[in-house]
Amino acid sequence: ILNVEQSPQSLHVQEGDSTNFTCSFPSSNFYALHWYRWETAKSPEALFVMTLNGDEKKKGRISATLNTKEGYSYLYIKGSQPEDSATYLCAPRPDGTASKLTFGTGTRLQVTL
Amino acid sequence: NAGVTQTPKFQVLKTGQSMTLQCAQDMNHEYMSWYRQDPGMGLRLIHYSVGAGITDQGEVPNGYNVSRSTTEDFPLRLLSAAPSQTSVYFCASSQPHRGEQYFGPGTRLTVT
Repeated sequence: ILNVEQSPQSLHVQEGDSTNFTCSFPSSNFYALHWYRWETAKSPEALFVMTLNGDEKKKGRISATLNTKEGYSYLYIKGSQPEDSATYLCAPRPDGTASKLTFGTGTRLQVTL
Repeated sequence: NAGVTQTPKFQVLKTGQSMTLQCAQDMNHEYMSWYRQDPGMGLRLIHYSVGAGITDQGEVPNGYNVSRSTTEDFPLRLLSAAPSQTSVYFCASSQPHRGEQYFGPGTRLTVT
């Protein structure tokens, strides 16, 4: 079982604020890192799959960076909107098989007007 | 495509009863997994399968059985329900290389 830590546990920002949170994972045996977005009463949805050290992915106002040598990834949201309110999960993969993901407990983001 | 479907959406069981949670996917994905979600614990892997006829245990397998007779279906069986199995259960499927998990809508199970 991988040790995956996400911080902060929860975050409350105002509309228009930019924010970021962290996913820490073991730097040894790294293959890929997954980010998921999970809205209340829905199912998790994939945001990014990151594989290379220094990788940066972007989808609209959300972006993510990856540092495999030190074992962390940052997720950034620029100009937060109420529809960004969700729990953001990360899940590192230690090898090429996608069958066993260990999820962090997530960062719960609440964006208010 | 329906994606990943799960039935039932809600279920209440009495302690000791058995039941099967159904999961099906129509994306021809090789991999399928079952997770449970509990407050403060995140998603924990129960069982997974890398193809028809092949299953293996995840982090929290006790009290659950699975089988995979077809690529499409991956049912989860609770052998003798216990209150500790009250949870929300998610089924997911993925392809081997890219690995993005596609989740079903979940089954909320309460064991009294």
